[in-house]
This record gives sequence, structure tokens and C-alpha cells, in this order.
Amino acid sequence: ELKVEQNPLFLSMQEGKNYTIYCNYSTTSDRLYWYRQDPGKSLESLFVLLSNGAVKQEGRLMASLDTKARLSTLHITAAVHDLSATYFCAVDPIQGAQKLVFGQGTRLTINP
Amino acid sequence: DVKVTQSSRYLVKRTGEKVFLECVQDMDHENMFWYRQDPGLGLRLIYFSYDVKMKEKGDIPEGYSVSREKKERFSLILESASTNQTSMYLCASSSSRERKYFGPGTRLTVT
Repeated sequence: ELKVEQNPLFLSMQEGKNYTIYCNYSTTSDRLYWYRQDPGKSLESLFVLLSNGAVKQEGRLMASLDTKARLSTLHITAAVHDLSATYFCAVDPIQGAQKLVFGQGTRLTINP
Repeated sequence: DVKVTQSSRYLVKRTGEKVFLECVQDMDHENMFWYRQDPGLGLRLIYFSYDVKMKEKGDIPEGYSVSREKKERFSLILESASTNQTSMYLCASSSSRERKYFGPGTRLTVT
């Protein structure tokens, strides 16, 4: 059974600092997704990582995937308050099945 | 822009009632999904559908059923609502293995 674990689950940081959210998963996969969720809102797609070594960046967020280590990271650079949200990673374990398995989510709070 | 809509944002029902949650997408996606979201548990897949009249169980199908009579519409049915089905329900759609697009969610409270 595929398990997806994020850490930390809660993160409070100061504006301007850098930090990384980790996503570990337990079985082989070649596709990993990152989503953002604001309080009371739905999920917004951030990144789709399709292969080993994939790196994608948008603004202050950068995501990477290491399929051999079964690890993805979401790095936040020079955090700003607007990035406060809950971030989820999700893994697609079987090609074509689309049964995404989500991590528990990381609630990120960025303080001025 | 892909649009996924859900029939209600908030719903309050009594134990034992039959509950229908409706989801509509406007991008001709083949695949549609129902998840529930609970604090500390992330999102868990209830049911999904690859095509009209086709459905497959997800990880937590007990107490739920689904209906997909038209490509754009996927309904989640709680035959007899119970308090442990109080949750946020999220519908999603996608084409092939590309990113899923989520609806705004329905927060269901069963009293």
C-alpha cells in the first residue's frame, strides 16, 4: 500500500527566510504533484513532476523530484506572507490509474 | 480555464437522510473523482470514474455510491448519512494523467 508522508506538518516562519517541505513516498512512482490550499478554499495545482531529476520553479517556489530516493521537496525562497497556505503533495502510483495518494498536508504560516 | 463546480458549498443534513452531492465539469474530461478531506488525514479517494456509466472504488467507498450518467456530471450519494460522514467533499476532473482540477468543495455536516 502506497504511503505518502510530508514533513513538517506545521511550519511557522518569518518573512524573508528560506525553508523546505519534504514529501516521502513508499512505492515506485514517476509522477508527483504539489497543490496549494488556502483556508476554506479548494486545491490549486502548483507543479507536476514527471521524471527523476525534474525541477520546476514558479516565483518563490521550487519543486524537485528524486524517484530513486522516493522524495520530493518544495523549497520556499525569501518567504512572503501571501505564501501562507496548506501545501499537499500527491503521488500517482500506477501508470494510467490516476488514483492519487495524498500526503497529510503541511500548514505553512509566514509571519511578517 | 477549466471549471469544476459543486452544487453546494455548505450542507447540513440529519442522520439517516439520503444526500446527493453534484459535480459538473466543463472541459470534456474523461476522468472524475470524489475525495473527502479531514484534518490530519489529507485527501482520501472515495470513488472515481473513467467514463460515462463507469465507476471504480477508491480507498474509502463504504457508505457511498456514485452515478455518472453524463460525461460532465459525477454525483456522490450518501444512502443513509451518518455523523462520521461529516467532512469536506472535493470533486476533481482530469484528462489522462495530467493535473487534476478541483471544485470548490462541499462542507457537509451530519447532525
